[in-house]
Amino acid sequence: DTAVSQTPKYLVTQMGNDKSIKCEQNLGHDTMYWYKQDSKKFLKIMFSYNNKELIINETVPNRFSPKSPDKAHLNLHINSLELGDSAVYFCASSQGTGGFYEQYFGPGTRLTVT
Amino acid sequence: GNSVTQMEGPVTLSEEAFLTINCTYTATGYPSLFWYVQYPGEGLQLLLKATKADDKGSNKGFEATYRKETTSFHLEKGSVQVSDSAVYFCALSVGQAGTALIFGKGTTLSVSS
Repeated sequence: DTAVSQTPKYLVTQMGNDKSIKCEQNLGHDTMYWYKQDSKKFLKIMFSYNNKELIINETVPNRFSPKSPDKAHLNLHINSLELGDSAVYFCASSQGTGGFYEQYFGPGTRLTVT
Repeated sequence: GNSVTQMEGPVTLSEEAFLTINCTYTATGYPSLFWYVQYPGEGLQLLLKATKADDKGSNKGFEATYRKETTSFHLEKGSVQVSDSAVYFCALSVGQAGTALIFGKGTTLSVSS
């Protein structure tokens, strides 16, 4: 059983399009995250949700909009895609919001904008 | 602010060699420290963690000790295998509410037989 799953695994699209990435966790966790990994493999937090509430919103263009329909799902919608959005996007979840909780990561979605 | 600094890679070793990957941190509070590993084409997996000073995290032959006095969390393994080839990330998290991981830039390890 996959703990944190993401769809799609690969996404190739053109500039200006709108796309969504879906994330689901079956661990019963309360907190979910989106991270972006750039071409140099640097990872940075984008958003965090706890019990469907947004609790972290880093400096991310407002073309990116997360949505959490329930505790087990956190989707990422991106409007008007740009070349610079090309990256690998990772979803993660943790049992709580305390700093000592381990985060479990999904396999990633490689987004390529042409 | 909070940040993590890792040694630059790539690190290239022969099988059974000793591995050290240095990691130092800056934190405004009292952080928890983590090492994550990313195998080619996969997501990140927690390798080990430590939540207070002098704690030693260990897993799969890897070890790291939380050193508050030197603000370090160096990763070590006594004898690496080809299967250890991956990217290793040191990370920290601080605080209670909405804590995200702050990652170092990653160190690529390549082990040859």
